[in-house]
Amino acid sequence: EAGVTQSPRYAVLQEGQAVSFWCDPISGHDTLYWYQQPRDQGPQLLVYFRDEAVIDNSQLPSDRFSAVRPKGTNSTLKIQSAKQGDTATYLCASSFWDRGGERLFFGHGTKLSVL
Amino acid sequence: SQWGEENLQALSIQEGEDVTMNCSYKTYTTVVQWYRQKSGKGPALIILIRSNEREKRSGRLRATLDTSSQSSSLSITGTLATDTAVYFCATDDSGYNKLTFGKGTVLLVSP
Repeated sequence: EAGVTQSPRYAVLQEGQAVSFWCDPISGHDTLYWYQQPRDQGPQLLVYFRDEAVIDNSQLPSDRFSAVRPKGTNSTLKIQSAKQGDTATYLCASSFWDRGGERLFFGHGTKLSVL
Repeated sequence: SQWGEENLQALSIQEGEDVTMNCSYKTYTTVVQWYRQKSGKGPALIILIRSNEREKRSGRLRATLDTSSQSSSLSITGTLATDTAVYFCATDDSGYNKLTFGKGTVLLVSP
């Protein structure tokens, strides 16, 4: 089966610029997660969806970050006016909502550098 | 061990040696999942242990869970150079796969 697909692989920005990350989850997975992974740290949850609904976005810096999943399939994470502190790898993952305690399937991530 | 304010830990060993890494967590969890992340890749699950289990084995991997002390361990026997990676433990207090990851352990296995 095809895995979780993310694009782009890399992004380099100046502070103040905007960037969007795209994720295509595993077919049939109704739950989609965005994680931020700063260098030398574990992934930190930003937001997750069940179908098109946001379940929890409490860790998303709402003033500059936004995430959507309009049809309950693909998802886009956008950063407006990026800051150097946003430098990290952004990981997308997917799973089934009703299979608690099961694995998350991760994409390879998008590595963002903000200069 | 992982978690809290601890820095990313690093272990350097020779091929063939056994290694154990530890994880302590702060809240109730339904499961502890161990992920391996190789350079340039996303994390991938290697072993999962549920709250009603004390030990789980999979090939060269062994995970333990002590819910009373809120700690888990991952052991790898007969390490290979290909085991070189960062290892994370992750817990779930939601029951809906909302995972919280530890800071990770860097494992370097030299041939």
